This record gives sequence, C-alpha cells and structure tokens, in this order.
Amino acid sequence: EDKVVQSPLSLVVHEGDTVTLNCSYEVTNFRSLLWYKQEKKAPTFLFMLTSSGIEKKSGRLSSILDKKELFSILNITATQTGDSAIYLCAVLVNRDDKIIFGKGTRLHILP
Amino acid sequence: NAGVTQTPKFQVLKTGQSMTLQCAQDMNHNSMYWYRQDPGMGLRLIYYSASEGTTDKGEVPNGYNVSRLNKREFSLRLESAAPSQTSVYFCASSSRQAQFYAGYTFGSGTRLTVV
Repeated sequence: EDKVVQSPLSLVVHEGDTVTLNCSYEVTNFRSLLWYKQEKKAPTFLFMLTSSGIEKKSGRLSSILDKKELFSILNITATQTGDSAIYLCAVLVNRDDKIIFGKGTRLHILP
Repeated sequence: NAGVTQTPKFQVLKTGQSMTLQCAQDMNHNSMYWYRQDPGMGLRLIYYSASEGTTDKGEVPNGYNVSRLNKREFSLRLESAAPSQTSVYFCASSSRQAQFYAGYTFGSGTRLTVV
C-alpha cells in the first residue's frame, strides 16, 4: 500500500528559528514529490521535486529529494509568524496521476 | 480567474439527508479528484476521474458516489449523510502538462457538518 509519512506532526518554534520538516514515502510508480502549504483554505503549491539531490529554493524555503533513501526535507530559515500553517508532503504516482498525501506537519511560529 | 470552483462553501445536513457537492474547472484538465480532510489526517482521496467518462474509487469511497458530467464538471454525492462524513471536502484537477509545474489545482473547499 502506498504511503507518505511526515514528521514531526506538530512543531512550535520562535520567530527567527530554522525548521526542518521531514517526509518519507513508500509508493509504486513514483513520479514526483510535492510540498504544499495550507493555511485556512486550500493547499497552495510550494515545490515539485523529481530528481535526487537538486535543491529547489524559493526565498526562505528550500527542499531536496533523496530517491535512494525515499525521503525529502523542507527547510524554512528565519521563520516568521506568517509561516504558521500545515505543511503537506505528497507523492504523485504514475497510475492515473494520483497524489497521495501525508498527514501534514502543523507548524506554529511564536512571535 | 481560471481555476477550480466548488459549491457550496458551507453546508449543514441532518443525518440521512442527501446532497451533491459541485466542482467545475476551466483549465481544460483531464483529471479531477475529490478529497476529504479531517483533523490530523491529511487529505484522503475519495474518488477520482482520470479522464472524461471514467471514475475510480480512492482510499475512502464508502458512502459516496461521483459523476463526471463532462470534462469540466465532477460532482460528489452523499446519498444518506452520516456524522462520520463531517469534514472539509476539496475538489482538485490536473493535467500531465500542469503537473510539471503545479501539481494539482485545488478548489477552496466545502465545509460539511452532519448533525
């Protein structure tokens, strides 16, 4: 059975800290790994990772994929209160283009 | 703005009532999906439609039916609502081309409460 496991499930840090969110997966027909940020409404797309070892970066957020060890990390540096959200890791599989989501990491940034 | 439109945004049902959640996309995507999201559970796939005319069960299909009315529209029906179906429902769409840069496009969600 395909699964995506995120850790930690919940994290509270102070503004300015750096956080690392983890995602491991076991799926058949892997195509890509995706990260989403979810605040009050629908998830919004952050990154798509397809190749191992190539870091994707957007401002203070960055992510990398290890296809040999089947995991990815999402780093957020110099966190701000606006980074408080649920961060979802998901894997896109080839069969019917399905996306399988992890349970998410709820991140709370204290001012 | 182009995207995925879900209706209604909020709904309260009594146990045993039926209702249909509507979803439409205007991006010419082939694939459409229905997810439910419960606290601490991430998003779980209910049903999906890989192309017009096809539908398949996802991880949690019991108690639901779907219709892919045409390429644009994919509806989710609760025939006899139960309190366990209280959740936030998201519709999403994608195409092979769009997946290369955006994964899915999500609707804004429907918050359903069954009492």
